[in-house]
Amino acid sequence: DQQVKQNSPSLSVQEGRISILNCDYTNSMFDYFLWYKKYPAEGPTFLISISSIKDKNEDGRFTVFLNKSAKHLSLHIVPSQPGDSAVYFCAASLAGETNFGNEKLTFGTGTRLTIIP
Amino acid sequence: GAVVSQHPSRVICKSGTSVKIECRSLDFQATTMFWYRQFPKQSLMLMATSNEGSKATYEQGVEKDKFLINHASLTLSTLTVTSAHPEDSSFYICSAPPSGPSTDTQYFGPGTRLTVL
Repeated sequence: DQQVKQNSPSLSVQEGRISILNCDYTNSMFDYFLWYKKYPAEGPTFLISISSIKDKNEDGRFTVFLNKSAKHLSLHIVPSQPGDSAVYFCAASLAGETNFGNEKLTFGTGTRLTIIP
Repeated sequence: GAVVSQHPSRVICKSGTSVKIECRSLDFQATTMFWYRQFPKQSLMLMATSNEGSKATYEQGVEKDKFLINHASLTLSTLTVTSAHPEDSSFYICSAPPSGPSTDTQYFGPGTRLTVL
């Protein structure tokens, strides 16, 4: 069963507006969450993360919000730019589960974001 | 929900031996599967695209004779690391889009941790 879910397969947003990508999870033991951005024919690249002890983390135009009680996180991109058009994956990990120092990840299924000029 | 499994979840082998990793789509058919290698800083490198009934497509810099990929059926792709060396130690992840030509939606496997002694 999918422990990390992205229920919107696609999203279109006007350039300059805010893009909001959503992610839900079922395993309350997850304590670290990540967002990845993926271009065609490439692997997902890390974008931003958040620890479960926080409810918000901001990095430039990207902000991730975590609502532990709702088991929900979201990625806000503002202002949206054409280069943001890509597929975005959220991922979650459990404390102590690492691989060679990297988090052992459970991925969502992705949301394609299209920024309309 | 759709699930992708990987077997084994972890393997330890001696240098010079070959290791086979299986990726299975459990409740959907996947004509295409992707193989990734996890690197530091959370990034996933796309190694190759596995195509059912035809040869795999390898990314630049990935040795096809070392990383043998066989897509034997619509639900199974295997990655064989031949003559493994310690530098091949890593975390290998597969993913599969559930149907059709679009690869936006992806179901990721739980990964296989390979340690080469």
